[in-house]
Amino acid sequence: AQSVAQPEDQVNVAEGNPLTVKCTYSVSGNPYLFWYVQYPNRGLQFLLKYITGDNLVKGSYGFEAEFNKSQTSFHLKKPSALVSDSALYFCAAVHTGGFKTIFGAGTRLFVKA
Amino acid sequence: DAGVIQSPRHEVTEMGQEVTLRCKPISGHDYLFWYRQTMMRGLELLIYFNNNVPIDDSGMPEDRFSAKMPNASFSTLKIQPSEPRDSAVYFCASIPRDRGMNTEAFFGQGTRLTVV
Repeated sequence: AQSVAQPEDQVNVAEGNPLTVKCTYSVSGNPYLFWYVQYPNRGLQFLLKYITGDNLVKGSYGFEAEFNKSQTSFHLKKPSALVSDSALYFCAAVHTGGFKTIFGAGTRLFVKA
Repeated sequence: DAGVIQSPRHEVTEMGQEVTLRCKPISGHDYLFWYRQTMMRGLELLIYFNNNVPIDDSGMPEDRFSAKMPNASFSTLKIQPSEPRDSAVYFCASIPRDRGMNTEAFFGQGTRLTVV
């Protein structure tokens, strides 16, 4: 079965420190990969995506993600965390054969002041 | 554009009652998705439409769930009869026309359903 794994339920980081939210995928072919963020009582918002090309993708709010094909990973990163980054983050993959998006379980990021 | 609009934002109903959730996608978006979010199961795709036609409804949990898209600007998700285990946040999302499968989805703010 195809799947997206986010191994950490929660990530805690101090404000100003770098953050990493991990994601690995098991999807056949060359899937398109996405990161979304969800703030309380809101829908998911798009952060960034990897389609092809450069393995380092830059997105909204200073976030970036590193694609590693050999490790089938797509980790989300930010050099300096802000308290306002505290939210629920979802990694997702879309199989190139269709529109069905597979979401990870989500990782709650908590940035402490 | 106002984005994807869902109504109601919150719904509390008694077990056995019919519940209808509504979604208005962004104008010009050809694909519409219904998701359910729970703590236990995370975000699950229930069904999606292309040009108002259901393409994949394999995620619909049981016959009590049905979804329609009578036109390009409106979709409904109906649960009849509702059960307490249907309590969840239901999201609608849409994708722009002709942008392909590598395009991000635009989500509504969700409907929080509580069945008591």
